[in-house]
Amino acid sequence: IAGITQAPTSQILAAGRRMTLRCTQDMRHNAMYWYRQDLGLGLRLIHYSNTAGTTGKGEVPDGYSVSRANTDDFPLTLASAVPSQTSVYFCASSDGNTGELFFGEGSRLTVL
Amino acid sequence: GQNIDQPTEMTATEGAIVQINCTYQTSGFNGLFWYQQHAGEAPTFLSYNVLDGLEEKGRFSSFLSRSKGYSYLLLKELQMKDSASYLCAVRDGDYKLSFGAGTTVTVRA
Repeated sequence: IAGITQAPTSQILAAGRRMTLRCTQDMRHNAMYWYRQDLGLGLRLIHYSNTAGTTGKGEVPDGYSVSRANTDDFPLTLASAVPSQTSVYFCASSDGNTGELFFGEGSRLTVL
Repeated sequence: GQNIDQPTEMTATEGAIVQINCTYQTSGFNGLFWYQQHAGEAPTFLSYNVLDGLEEKGRFSSFLSRSKGYSYLLLKELQMKDSASYLCAVRDGDYKLSFGAGTTVTVRA
């Protein structure tokens, strides 16, 4: 059972570079989410998608973009990375019945 | 938006009971979740409350009072493996989940 797969697991990149974090789920969940987790701040919602073809902004969307071309994939793109985007990024999908989130293992991103 | 508050840290002894409180203020409410997160790992689901009252799952119980904007997670018979961060999260009408900053529980022998 794969659930949610994120890639890469860890990445170091130079400021100004473009970076896409990949997220794929095999549970056929309609809703998907991207969160970032920083010490002392908890999980903060970046972008979300309630169904394929639609996306919405979360609490901290600036500097990030997402697309949802199909049910399974929900990539997160940093167009021009900045050091403040150093964080652990979690992708999640939601069961429509209970709203319970299922999380990927996270992607640790360091921007220098 | 959501405003979710929970204590930063708690320490307890193995075999004891610990109660983690969570208060929230939301513009829309559609359920409250508790997640457990061990260091370096992804959060995992513990409990879900949408109606007032107590939900019990083995050693863990969760309580909700919607009128007070209050929930707690009760951990009984603490074990060393329960040392983790516990996240309170509130779901709004759009099925988006907002999280508190988390409570780090340390269990000591």
